Amino acid sequence: AQSVSQHNHHVILSEAASLELGCNYSYGGTVNLFWYVQYPGQHLQLLLKYFSGDPLVKGIKGFEAEFIKSKFSFNLRKPSVQWSDTAEYFCAVTQYSSASKIIFGSGTRLSIRP
Amino acid sequence: DTGVSQDPRHKITKRGQNVTFRCDPISEHNRLYWYRQTLGQGPEFLTYFQNEAQLEKSRLLSDRFSAERPKGSFSTLEIQRTEQGDSAMYLCASSLTRTGTPTDTQYFGPGTRLTVL
Repeated sequence: AQSVSQHNHHVILSEAASLELGCNYSYGGTVNLFWYVQYPGQHLQLLLKYFSGDPLVKGIKGFEAEFIKSKFSFNLRKPSVQWSDTAEYFCAVTQYSSASKIIFGSGTRLSIRP
Repeated sequence: DTGVSQDPRHKITKRGQNVTFRCDPISEHNRLYWYRQTLGQGPEFLTYFQNEAQLEKSRLLSDRFSAERPKGSFSTLEIQRTEQGDSAMYLCASSLTRTGTPTDTQYFGPGTRLTVL
């Protein structure tokens, strides 16, 4: 069965610090990979996605993620965080062949100190 | 920009009562999904529709849960004889899927928060 692991449950950073959130998935086939973000009081929004091609994917608000197939990883990065990045971040995967249900990780809560 | 909408946003009910939630997807989106999210967890897939057809149901969806999408537009999720364990955020998402292109993106609604007392 597919699964997604996010190892950091809560990350606290100061503004301007660099960010890397880990994500590993378990699935032997071809996958689509996503990062979703949920800002306080708002609904889930797509941050970035990987379907194929360049494994370095750029998303909104300066976020990027790198797909490393050999490590089954899709880590999220941002070189300099802002207070407005305070949110919950979810890594997610779907099977490439069906692209139906999304399997989400348990999420990482990011708190930014101003 | 009309995104996915859900109604109600909050529902408090007593154990044993029935509840029904509604989801209106983005217009022209042919797929509609239901997820459930409990505190501290990511959303978990419940079921999805392509047009009117319910194509997949999770084992999480017990017999007390039923979902419909009668005309291929809005969908309803009904929970019968609610239990305290049903307390969660129920999320709806929609996507536009073209045959042979397994790269649709799901867009989520704000959710319905259910509290069962």
